[in-house]
Amino acid sequence: GEDVEQSLFLSVREGDSSVINCTYTDSSSTYLYWYKQEPGAGLQLLTYIFSNMDMKQDQRLTVLLNKKDKHLSLRIADTQTGDSAIYFCAVDTGGGNKLTFGTGTQLKVEL
Amino acid sequence: DVKVTQSSRYLVKRTGEKVFLECVQDMDHENMFWYRQDPGLGLRLIYFSYDVKMKEKGDIPEGYSVSREKKERFSLILESASTNQTSMYLCASIDSTDTQYFGPGTRLTVL
Repeated sequence: GEDVEQSLFLSVREGDSSVINCTYTDSSSTYLYWYKQEPGAGLQLLTYIFSNMDMKQDQRLTVLLNKKDKHLSLRIADTQTGDSAIYFCAVDTGGGNKLTFGTGTQLKVEL
Repeated sequence: DVKVTQSSRYLVKRTGEKVFLECVQDMDHENMFWYRQDPGLGLRLIYFSYDVKMKEKGDIPEGYSVSREKKERFSLILESASTNQTSMYLCASIDSTDTQYFGPGTRLTVL
């Protein structure tokens, strides 16, 4: 089955850029997503990218997709303390709108 | 706004009890999902449903069952709760653009 990998932790200083990385194994995925989970809350969709795109920018967020290497990244510019959360990448797999999620990356923003 | 609600934010049950987790969405979505979230493992799909009375097993269905008697409601049932089912349970529904919307989660502790 699909395997989606992320590093577990990332720590950055406020104002710096954060880059959260994700690798996946299923090259047939059509949609790739980034979700944010704040403490005690469910997941909130941040952004997504179609597999025929290399890059998508949405305000402070930039998503890069390297299909050849099956690598997805989320860049957050000017990271703020409110960005502290767990970030999950997810890819669609197997039809039926099923998603496979990565393990999540805990982003800690330090002053 | 799409709203996905879960019946409880926190639950404490004893080993062997039958547990019902309820999820309701108000946007007439056909597809609904139940995940469990554990540290370092990300989200794992337990069951999903395409329509009323339709259900399919996800990646970790053992020890769980589901019920979808009405379109807006998707219930997860633990027939005989065990301590290894202590987890955060997340419900989601999906819209016509394949975007998943998550409920706030239910943190279940089985003693």
